[in-house]
Amino acid sequence: AQKITQTQPGMFVQEKEAVTLDCTYDTSDPSYGLFWYKQPSSGEMIFLIYQGSYDQQNATEGRYSLNFQKARKSANLVISASQLGDSAMYFCAMRGRVNSGYSTLTFGKGTMLLVSP
Amino acid sequence: NAGVTQTPKFQVLKTGQSMTLQCAQDMNHNSMYWYRQDPGMGLRLIYYSASEGTTDKGEVPNGYNVSRLNKREFSLRLESAAPSQTSVYFCASSGQGAIGSPLHFGNGTRLTVT
Repeated sequence: AQKITQTQPGMFVQEKEAVTLDCTYDTSDPSYGLFWYKQPSSGEMIFLIYQGSYDQQNATEGRYSLNFQKARKSANLVISASQLGDSAMYFCAMRGRVNSGYSTLTFGKGTMLLVSP
Repeated sequence: NAGVTQTPKFQVLKTGQSMTLQCAQDMNHNSMYWYRQDPGMGLRLIYYSASEGTTDKGEVPNGYNVSRLNKREFSLRLESAAPSQTSVYFCASSGQGAIGSPLHFGNGTRLTVT
């Protein structure tokens, strides 16, 4: 079974500062993938970034980077130079490999990020 | 491209009523999913369809049925709605063959059962 834990219900950051959103995971799958999604107040789910368990380098997408520490089973999202538009709920999720395919996406409970001017 | 389209956007039901949530994707994806989102619970998988012709239960399937009508469409049915089914429902789709294929979500259906 897979489990995703996001221990920060809410985070506050000032505009232009960097912020780290924590995510730890538990899985017995030898191969897996980690995802981050953003959900603004309008409600849609927006895919941000992906990290594969065998990827040698941390994933980056613009101002988003994923701090992947495999031994610690953590996949923290780092947002650099926060903007007001970054205020949203953020979800960490993972998918593992099972038999000849892969499992469905399991989500954490989310972290609400508020960016202040 | 529309991506993943869900209808309706909002619905209010009385306990015991039935309804079907519709979902269609135009990305030629093989896999489709239904999740529900409740405050403080994240997204939980109700049912999914790995490919046309197959459906499987997720984490919270009780009280729901699904139909994979064709490759594009995946519907979710509530046969006898209960207040515990008040939630936001998301349909999603993904391509097949890569563990890193992200899910593409519809805009959600906000369902209230009174």
